[in-house]
Amino acid sequence: GDSVTQMEGPVTLSEEAFLTINCTYTATGYPSLFWYVQYPGEGLQLLLKATKADDKGSNKGFEATYRKETTSFHLEKGSVQVSDSAVYFCALSAGGFKTIFGAGTRLFVKA
Amino acid sequence: DTAVSQTPKYLVTQMGNDKSIKCEQNLGHDTMYWYKQDSKKFLKIMFSYNNKELIINETVPNRFSPKSPDKAHLNLHINSLELGDSAVYFCASSPSSGTGTYNYGYTFGSGTRLTVV
Repeated sequence: GDSVTQMEGPVTLSEEAFLTINCTYTATGYPSLFWYVQYPGEGLQLLLKATKADDKGSNKGFEATYRKETTSFHLEKGSVQVSDSAVYFCALSAGGFKTIFGAGTRLFVKA
Repeated sequence: DTAVSQTPKYLVTQMGNDKSIKCEQNLGHDTMYWYKQDSKKFLKIMFSYNNKELIINETVPNRFSPKSPDKAHLNLHINSLELGDSAVYFCASSPSSGTGTYNYGYTFGSGTRLTVV
């Protein structure tokens, strides 16, 4: 069945460091891919998405490129801030009404 | 404000009690969901409704019963609460095409933290 695998956390970085959170997927067909962010005590928020191969989603300095050849959708940011500390979820939708979420990766950014 | 709103935000109750969580969205979406998030942040789909019709009913104890009186509301009733029901429950909504929510992201509520003692 369809699945999403994210790198295990927590990831701890200093402010202004480069961020990569790895995400790979398994799906039949051509899924849409998403990144969500969950700040402490809040619900998930859609951060960015890509709906076809080679698409790049971007928002708030975060980027991810849909790589069909490597079945990956890694999240990157050039310079993280303390306010980026949160849990990040990779997700896919391969048709129908169900979205599959990864296990989440917790990011801590130190000042 | 346009949003998905859940009530209550916190719910502390004793084992064996019955409780309800309410969810409302004013985004005009036609699909709504209930998710359970455990202490390790893992998200598990429970139920989904599309235009008031139940379309996803995962392996959930039948003590959990969803109800969607209209497209904008999705409630969750839980009977005979158990310690293992303690978790954060999220409501979410999404627009859809005729065949699914494929290209659309979800809008989540802020969650209901349920603690069973």
